[in-house]
Amino acid sequence: EIVLTQSPTTMAASPGEKVTLTCRASSSVSYMHWYQQRSGASPKLWIYETSKLASGVPNRFSGSGSGTSYSLTINSMETEDAATYYCQQGSSYPNTFGAGTKLELK
Amino acid sequence: EVQLVESGGGLVQPGRSLKLSCAASGFTFSNYGMHWIRQAPTKGLEWVASISPSGGSTYYRDSVKGRFTISRDNAKSTLYLQMDSLRSEDTATYYCATYGYGYFDFWGPGTMVTVSS
Repeated sequence: EIVLTQSPTTMAASPGEKVTLTCRASSSVSYMHWYQQRSGASPKLWIYETSKLASGVPNRFSGSGSGTSYSLTINSMETEDAATYYCQQGSSYPNTFGAGTKLELK
Repeated sequence: EVQLVESGGGLVQPGRSLKLSCAASGFTFSNYGMHWIRQAPTKGLEWVASISPSGGSTYYRDSVKGRFTISRDNAKSTLYLQMDSLRSEDTATYYCATYGYGYFDFWGPGTMVTVSS
């Protein structure tokens, strides 16, 4: 089973600040996918196939990476971006998720 | 618009059974693989089980093999999860989700399952 390690576990960012979340895989994967989960809500697909934004996702978000190292970047933090972000790989059975990064507003 | 609505959750004693349902609409259900994913209180996401579009292939995480059964009724656009021999560690919100090319593109709001005496 591929283990995904996300860092940091928790972070706080001020409006306008650039934010980078990291996800490292225990073995190489073809793509990484990201989900946003706001408090009390179900997860939403946010970025798929490493760098493609899901429908409705603002273009201040971007994704990059390859092999075992991937990242999600917010170019300029906004209030509505406060949430928990999970990475997920589907390259190898079983599908696995990272433990999440909780992003708070400073 | 794609809609997934889970139901059937509740409080159940250890060792008992529960059957979850996921009603789908807004897309051709029979064309999509479907998954159950769970989230224990204040914890992360954990894939539970999956089923192919026809229902002919099913997969489970090791901790639920032999206890949970995923199935589907394509005529009713409904996904199911039969959960037997429930344990306290099965306590979680259970989500059904559609499966794209390696990712979960649509999720339901979830149904809470609490296993406790």
